Amino acid sequence: QQQVKQSPQSLIVQKGGISIINCAYENTAFDYFPWYQQFPGKGPALLIAIRPDVSEKKEGRFTISFNKSAKQFSLHIMDSQPGDSATYFCAASPDPAGGYQKVTFGIGTKLQVIP
Amino acid sequence: GAVVSQHPSRVICKSGTSVKIECRSLDFQATTMFWYRQFPKQSLMLMATSNEGSKATYEQGVEKDKFLINHASLTLSTLTVTSAHPEDSSFYICSAARPSGSYNEQFFGPGTRLTVL
Repeated sequence: QQQVKQSPQSLIVQKGGISIINCAYENTAFDYFPWYQQFPGKGPALLIAIRPDVSEKKEGRFTISFNKSAKQFSLHIMDSQPGDSATYFCAASPDPAGGYQKVTFGIGTKLQVIP
Repeated sequence: GAVVSQHPSRVICKSGTSVKIECRSLDFQATTMFWYRQFPKQSLMLMATSNEGSKATYEQGVEKDKFLINHASLTLSTLTVTSAHPEDSSFYICSAARPSGSYNEQFFGPGTRLTVL
């Protein structure tokens, strides 16, 4: 059962273009939505995260858009660069107030930015 | 920063031997650490949640006697793969949870590539 659906699984974008990765979830208990960037042979690194009280969060060239009613969120990478080529994972986890926080990952999107 | 290290980064062992992987949070204390397994070109699969001073919580389908987890201090958790077999070959990644307001952000280690011959 895939609780966080991510698409596309692979993406090729030209340098300077916009990369867009979409995710959808079903569990309404999810309350925290991070994005991770992973380079080959390395562990994932937290890129940017959003909570459902805001509809958009921007950090540099990376923007998360969040639609709570549709239960969808997306990552936009503006002015994509070859160095952005990596695998991106969206994720979701419930409110940690209960003392246990399990992160559910999407399947991942392999992004390739070509010069 | 929030740095998590893993050791070793790569290990090759013979079938039947046991392998220990260490996960350390270098600049913060982590009451909770997580162990993941990742197959090539696939997502991360949570194996277990490790809480300092208590028994680990294993995900369904993960053999607790096969994958021993110890979280002896607030900065160290270890995963021991006992009697390893070729099917245990994988990329093992740990993460440590650090409080951020009312939430806990997870920071990942660089991973350990295990190859069982």
